[in-house]
Amino acid sequence: GENVEQHPSTLSVQEGDSAVIKCTYSDSASNYFPWYKQELGKRPQLIIDIRSNVGEKKDQRIAVTLNKTAKHFSLHITETQPEDSAVYFCAASPTKLIFGTGTRLQVFP
Amino acid sequence: NAGVTQTPKFQVLKTGQSMTLQCAQDMNHNSMYWYRQDPGMGLRLIYYSASEGTTDKGEVPNGYNVSRLNKREFSLRLESAAPSQTSVYFCASSESGGFSGNTIYFGEGSWLTVV
Repeated sequence: GENVEQHPSTLSVQEGDSAVIKCTYSDSASNYFPWYKQELGKRPQLIIDIRSNVGEKKDQRIAVTLNKTAKHFSLHITETQPEDSAVYFCAASPTKLIFGTGTRLQVFP
Repeated sequence: NAGVTQTPKFQVLKTGQSMTLQCAQDMNHNSMYWYRQDPGMGLRLIYYSASEGTTDKGEVPNGYNVSRLNKREFSLRLESAAPSQTSVYFCASSESGGFSGNTIYFGEGSWLTVV
C-alpha cells in the first residue's frame, strides 16, 4: 500500500523567512496530493492541492511542487507570518488518502 | 451550513465499555470517513464509505465497526474499548469518488480517553 514520509517533523523560522516541507510517497499510482493545515485543537483544513498532471501550483504565499519521477512533493510558504504557525500534513492518494506524520511549523516574530 | 458535525466532543470510557461516535454532514456528500489522530502518527484511516450502502476498511480497522445509516450519517462503534483506542477521532466527508481528488472536509474531532 501507499506510504507517505514527511520531513521535517518540526520547523522553526523567523517571521518573513520561507519554510519548506517535503514529502515522499511510494505508490506510483498516486495522483492527488493535498496539503492540510491544523491549528492547535482544531480540525485539519485543506490549504492547497495538486494533481499528477501538474508540476507546480501557487496560491498567494503558498506553493506546492510535484516531482513524479522522484515521487516527492513539497510545500513552500514564503514571507511567513505568526499565523502560519500550525501542524501541516501532506497526503497522497492512489485509492485511499494516506497522510504523512505532520510538520509542526513555528514562526517567531 | 454546519458542514460535518460529530458527537460527542469529549468522552471518557472504561476498558471494555462500548460507545458510538456519531457523525452527520449537510453538504450532500457521497463519501464519508473516520480517521484517528495520535501524536506523531498523523491521521490514519479507520473506515470509509465511498457511497451510501457501502463501507470499506482503512489502515487501522481492528476494534471498530461502522454504519452508514443514510447519506448524511456515518457512525463509528467501539464494541469493547481498549486503552490503545485513546485518540482524537475525526469524521470527514467529500463530494464523491472516494479519494479521486475531491476535497475532504473534517469535523471538529472527538477526544476519547479509555482508562
